[in-house]
Amino acid sequence: EDQVTQSPEALRLQEGESSSLNCSYTVSGLRGLFWYRQDPGKGPEFLFTLYSAGEEKEKERLKATLTKKESFLHITAPKPEDSATYLCAVPDAGNMLTFGGGTRLMVKP
Amino acid sequence: EPEVTQTPSHQVTQMGQEVILRCVPISNHLYFYWYRQILGQKVEFLVSFYNNEISEKSEIFDDQFSVERPDGSNFTLKIRSTKLEDSAMYFCASSNRSNYGYTFGSGTRLTVV
Repeated sequence: EDQVTQSPEALRLQEGESSSLNCSYTVSGLRGLFWYRQDPGKGPEFLFTLYSAGEEKEKERLKATLTKKESFLHITAPKPEDSATYLCAVPDAGNMLTFGGGTRLMVKP
Repeated sequence: EPEVTQTPSHQVTQMGQEVILRCVPISNHLYFYWYRQILGQKVEFLVSFYNNEISEKSEIFDDQFSVERPDGSNFTLKIRSTKLEDSAMYFCASSNRSNYGYTFGSGTRLTVV
């Protein structure tokens, strides 16, 4: 059974204070790793897909990286509008996504 | 940008009643999904649907649940006899190919009283 664990559960940053979110996974065969952003009361919003160890993707202040056991979401010089819950998920062979519990990021001005 | 549309945004129902949650996936997508998120918990997979049939379902998706694609645009989730523990946000998602770029809707908040 695929397992996904995210840490920390919550992270408070000052505006401009860079940090990283962790997603550790255990899967029978990696078919990709997805990062989503979720705002309160909304559905997950797709950010990145990573398919192989060593791969990196960037979007504005966010950069996602992947190793054989974990993925990191690096946030550089965050702004208050980056406050959200960040979710990672892995698919199984049948397209079922297993989600981690998320990291709730709060960026204070 | 294309989006997945869900209606209603909030539904309150009496325990034991049937509810139908509706979704309009992105028009050229072929794979359709329902997920749910109980308040404060992880997003959980319910069911995936491809080529007019269920391709995978979780243990949560028991005989009380069913899905249907009644026409070329809608995708519905029916809960036959709701329980208190069915209260959650229900998200519809779609993708145009396997393991790629799932797009989620904004969800339906189901409250069973």
